[in-house]
Amino acid sequence: GAGVSQSPSNKVTEKGKDVELRCDPISGHTALYWYRQSLGQGLEFLIYFQGNSAPDKSGLPSDRFSAERTGGSVSTLTIQRTQQEDSAVYLCASSQFIRGGRNSDTQYFGPGTRLTVL
Amino acid sequence: AQSVTQLDSHVSVSEGTPVLLRCNYSSSYSPSLFWYVQHPNKGLQLLLKYTSAATLVKGINGFEAEFKKSETSFHLTKPSAHMSDAAEYFCVVSALSGYALNFGKGTSLLVTP
Repeated sequence: GAGVSQSPSNKVTEKGKDVELRCDPISGHTALYWYRQSLGQGLEFLIYFQGNSAPDKSGLPSDRFSAERTGGSVSTLTIQRTQQEDSAVYLCASSQFIRGGRNSDTQYFGPGTRLTVL
Repeated sequence: AQSVTQLDSHVSVSEGTPVLLRCNYSSSYSPSLFWYVQHPNKGLQLLLKYTSAATLVKGINGFEAEFKKSETSFHLTKPSAHMSDAAEYFCVVSALSGYALNFGKGTSLLVTP
């Protein structure tokens, strides 16, 4: 079946511009995650959506970052007034459901969007 | 906080020899632990996961890992390396939230002919 897809695969923008990154999760997966992979910081959790619950935004690095998930499926990560330190690969993942407690269901990752801020 | 430390940033092995990628974890409870692999310009792929069942976990492509609570380790092994195993490997622990993942810094595996 189809995996997690992300678009665009590459995005080059100028400092100060806004960008939108899109994620299509695996059909039927109720949980969706955004991560960022950068040279300096490694892989970092950004935000988590689960069904109709309020998202966990605790990993967002600043208020320039926001994300939404429409209809419980597609998600968009928006970065406003981009800065050079925002350059990174943005990864989206989805999972089937989250059991209560500490164990995580397997997260399936998309190929990522490489963002370059000039 | 839940975290993992990958003890080697780079590992080089010859094709056909064993692979050992080391990972220590820190957690205030029994964690879920994972190994993911990332090939160049490809997405992250799950190799295996430990969720408090058997301590020896078998994954894809001949990889396995052993959870050792006394040593707080979760090392990844493979008996015989193949050229296609060359990639970046990440040891991962579930965060306290139960859903976010905390990644190690990664180990780059080089396989030489």
